[in-house]
Amino acid sequence: AQSVSQHNHHVILSEAASLELGCNYSYGGTVNLFWYVQYPGQHLQLLLKYFSGDPLVKGIKGFEAEFIKSKFSFNLRKPSVQWSDTAEYFCAVLPMDTGRRALTFGSGTRLQVQP
Amino acid sequence: GAVVSQHPSWVICKSGTSVKIECRSLDFQATTMFWYRQFPKQSLMLMATSNEGSKATYEQGVEKDKFLINHASLTLSTLTVTSAHPEDSSFYICSATRTAQETQYFGPGTRLLVL
Repeated sequence: AQSVSQHNHHVILSEAASLELGCNYSYGGTVNLFWYVQYPGQHLQLLLKYFSGDPLVKGIKGFEAEFIKSKFSFNLRKPSVQWSDTAEYFCAVLPMDTGRRALTFGSGTRLQVQP
Repeated sequence: GAVVSQHPSWVICKSGTSVKIECRSLDFQATTMFWYRQFPKQSLMLMATSNEGSKATYEQGVEKDKFLINHASLTLSTLTVTSAHPEDSSFYICSATRTAQETQYFGPGTRLLVL
């Protein structure tokens, strides 16, 4: 079975600092990849997704992620974080050749941005 | 577009009673809906996958008779927690997709507290 690892459980940054959150998955086949964000008290929202094509994908609010197939990674980046980026970030994987249509989520990374 | 709603947003019930949670796709037809459970400070754990007009597929360890899922239309799926007990207290989240490759859109969640 596939798994998703987010090694950073809690990240604290100052405003304007750069962000990189790691995401690695264990599955050898074709995958769709997602980053979701959950702001305090709100529901999960899609930040960005990768289906195919350019491995560098851009999402909302200045976030981007790069799919590196050889490393089974899909790290999330933002050049300059804002206080409003404080939230929980989840990486998710959807294997495309298993017939299974459910996402497998990582354990999440709590980002705290200090003003 | 792609809005998913859940009702109720929170519910408190006595042990032994049953609780029904609704998940609706408001502006699209959802061929598949997913039910997740999220424990405090943890990731989402898939409970079951629900396809319109067919029986739900439950994840290993999820009791089918306890968590009844009905996906009677392309815009509505329900999760009924039967004979609820305090250990069923959790945050239940649904998501919906139009096709197998489509992004999952998440509802706001339902917080269940069983006394």
